[in-house]
Amino acid sequence: KAGVTQTPRYLIKTRGQQVTLSCSPISGHRSVSWYQQTPGQGLQFLFEYFSETQRNKGNFPGRFSGRQFSNSRSEMNVSTLELGDSALYLCASSLDAAGGFFGPGTRLTVL
Amino acid sequence: AQSVTQLGSHVSVSEGALVLLRCNYSSSVPPYLFWYVQYPNQGLQLLLKYTSAATLVKGINGFEAEFKKSETSFHLTKPSAHMSDAAEYFCAVSASGTYKYIFGTGTRLKVLA
Repeated sequence: KAGVTQTPRYLIKTRGQQVTLSCSPISGHRSVSWYQQTPGQGLQFLFEYFSETQRNKGNFPGRFSGRQFSNSRSEMNVSTLELGDSALYLCASSLDAAGGFFGPGTRLTVL
Repeated sequence: AQSVTQLGSHVSVSEGALVLLRCNYSSSVPPYLFWYVQYPNQGLQLLLKYTSAATLVKGINGFEAEFKKSETSFHLTKPSAHMSDAAEYFCAVSASGTYKYIFGTGTRLKVLA
């Protein structure tokens, strides 16, 4: 069974731009959650989607948004990028609440 | 609310020695607890999980952890360290039944030859 796929793996943007990251979960998994990982703040929960509905949201500004499609693939969008948005963005796919399977992440660099 | 504290941001052990990585949690509801490992430039891999069944949980690569409610701990152990165990380890908690994981700050394990 294929694992979680995230595209692109690396991204370089400049301040003020927007970016869209994609996550394809493991087949049959309906929950997709997103995390931001930085050296200073560690791993922080962004949001979680289940069957196209956002069920949980972390403490991030409204510039961070996401959605989930009917095939469970998910995208997250960050608008008006700031330098502090540079991070590794990880998505996790879950069949149940007993642990998520993480993708390799998208490394976003904001210049 | 849930939170996790990992004691020791860096731990060094000799190859063949016991690995002990500490994790204490706080949760207002029965928790699910997890240990993940992250190798450089990779995502997180689930090592093991506690979901209110057996308190001693065995995971992959010879790791195990024991849930101790009285101590609010979920320490990760491995009897004999291998060079390939060098990585960063994260403890995480979620309220049982939810999909939102709260992670600790991580412990970087170094294995000395």
